[in-house]
Parts: sequence; structure tokens; C-alpha cells
Amino acid sequence: QKEVEQDPGPLSVPEGAIVSLNCTYSNSAFQYFMWYRQYSRKGPELLMYTYSSGNKEDGRFTAQVDKSSKYISLFIRDSQPSDSATYLCAMLPGAGNMLTFGGGTRLMVKP
Amino acid sequence: GAVVSQHPSWVICKSGTSVKIECRSLDFQATTMFWYRQFPKQSLMLMATSNEGSKATYEQGVEKDKFLINHASLTLSTLTVTSAHPEDSSFYICSAPHGRQGNTEAFFGQGTRLTVV
Repeated sequence: QKEVEQDPGPLSVPEGAIVSLNCTYSNSAFQYFMWYRQYSRKGPELLMYTYSSGNKEDGRFTAQVDKSSKYISLFIRDSQPSDSATYLCAMLPGAGNMLTFGGGTRLMVKP
Repeated sequence: GAVVSQHPSWVICKSGTSVKIECRSLDFQATTMFWYRQFPKQSLMLMATSNEGSKATYEQGVEKDKFLINHASLTLSTLTVTSAHPEDSSFYICSAPHGRQGNTEAFFGQGTRLTVV
């Protein structure tokens, strides 16, 4: 079993839809949770990170962490075709540790 | 945000030759950089940790004599794929943690697509 599980998709939604992307993990030591967006043939781009449990909002993006369930989510409101990309979750026990990535979910937002 | 620049963005080389990939932190210093490999539709696989002024740390199963890493300055790390073979064809990505936030705020290069023919 992988440490971080993520549905590979693809997830196809119409423009304007609310998108929910999720990851589950098994290591209870993880404290920091990141979401990256990766366009095709590009490096990952950090969207946001959250420490411990709770919600964090940045524009159309909201990250949620439920440590009791070992489950994290990224919500995208009013999705746009430009949001079409692969979304990778990543997590760390501490800031100085190595990132552990999920496999990524490919999202397609259709106009 | 901080910028990490990777060069070249793509390269095609003949089997048996060596290829050097550069990773630069443009507006911050990075004592540590990371090198990843990514196969199509798969996630990033950490290959090695590049440490400025000392030897790189390789992940299990990664051949250190094949993937030579040099971190000569606080803004530059290089990965050299030696005696490349077609199975080395992949997408290589570097990253650098930024400031005191460490890997919670890691910035990635744009990646290098290597094709060995």
C-alpha cells in the first residue's frame, strides 16, 4: 500500500463546476499538506499548503485537512478550462523532511 | 514566488553519450536541492538530494555512478546522466526548498524531457 493514495482520474467536469480532489494517507506523522498543479510537460507549481487540520482558502481554491480520517481535499470553485492539469497532493512530517507525493489526479475542465 | 530555472527543457541524445541538466535558484540561495524523475502519468520519484559543498544523497535503487550530481554553489545544482540508454528517457525535475519554510514551500523547475535514441 502506498503512503499517499490519490485517484488518477481523469476527472472531467464542465466549466463552472465545483471540483473536489482528494488524497488519503497512512502515515499519522504527516503534519504539512501541500497541493501542486502540474501542466503537461511542466514542473509542479505550489498552489497552497496547510499545517495540521483545518481549512485554508485562497481565491477559488480551498484546502481541507482531516487528520482524524487521514484525508485531505482540494476544492476548486467556478472551475475554468485553464484549471485543466494534473493535481498532486504532497505531505511532510516536518518542514525539513522529504515530500511524499500522491500519484496525481488529472483534471479536465470542458468549456 | 521564488523561481527555480531548469535547463535544457528538452534534450535528445544518442545512446552512450552523457547529458547534463542544470537547476538554478534565481532569486534565493539553496543549500539543498532535490532531483526527481517522472514517468508518463505517474508521480514524482525522488532520485537524490543535492547538498551544496558535499556529496549528494541517493535514494535506494538509484545508481550514483550513472546519475552524477554536483552542487557547486548555493544557486546551482547539476545532474549528469552518464552513458545514457533508452530506458533513461524520462522527465527530470529539480526542486529547491525556500527559506525557513523548508519543503513546505518547495519550488520546482520546469523540468527536462530527456529522450535517448
